[in-house]
Amino acid sequence: AQKVTQAQTEISVVEKEDVTLDCVYETRDTTYYLFWYKQPPSGELVFLIRRNSFDEQNEISGRYSWNFQKSTSSFNFTITASQVVDSAVYFCALSEARGSSNTGKLIFGQGTTLQVKP
Amino acid sequence: GAGVSQSPRYKVAKRGQDVALRCDPISGHVSLFWYQQALGQGPEFLTYFQNEAQLDKSGLPSDRFFAERPEGSVSTLKIQRTQQEDSAVYLCASSLGLRQDLSGNTIYFGEGSWLTVV
Repeated sequence: AQKVTQAQTEISVVEKEDVTLDCVYETRDTTYYLFWYKQPPSGELVFLIRRNSFDEQNEISGRYSWNFQKSTSSFNFTITASQVVDSAVYFCALSEARGSSNTGKLIFGQGTTLQVKP
Repeated sequence: GAGVSQSPRYKVAKRGQDVALRCDPISGHVSLFWYQQALGQGPEFLTYFQNEAQLDKSGLPSDRFFAERPEGSVSTLKIQRTQQEDSAVYLCASSLGLRQDLSGNTIYFGEGSWLTVV
């Protein structure tokens, strides 16, 4: 079965601390994509990153970095030197490639609420 | 605007009332999705359109939920005889949907329609 687990419900840090958000996924497919979205209080889901299952290279974008490890089915997200504006709910999501039935729909985790205090 | 637009942003409906939620996807996007997000949960897939064709409606929770996209652009999600358990944020999303492997398309979300059934 396809599933995404974000075990951390809420995380609270002080500004400038580094923080890692965990994501573990389950899938039967060998081809799939993983995503991270940010949801600020306004409600819109903001796309952060997409990775495919064949590319395990870690990625860094400014203060954001992602660690993809197929061996542990994890796709963790680290924010370096956190800022108050990083406060939001963060979702990890999975999309599977299943041939003709593939629609690209996303399966989301429960989300992790990150609070960054000044 | 350039993003996915949804209306109304907020809707309070009396139990038993019918509601209609509108979604304007990003211009040129072939794929359109509806998701339901209950308070404190991750979004859950409702239905998917490719142009005007509704290819997947496996996530619709009951026959009171109906979605359409008659001209392949704007979509409407209709909920008949609303119940309290329908209270949620309804997110619309779109993607180019041009890649053969649709699972790799980045999906862009609107701010959602917040429905409260009283």
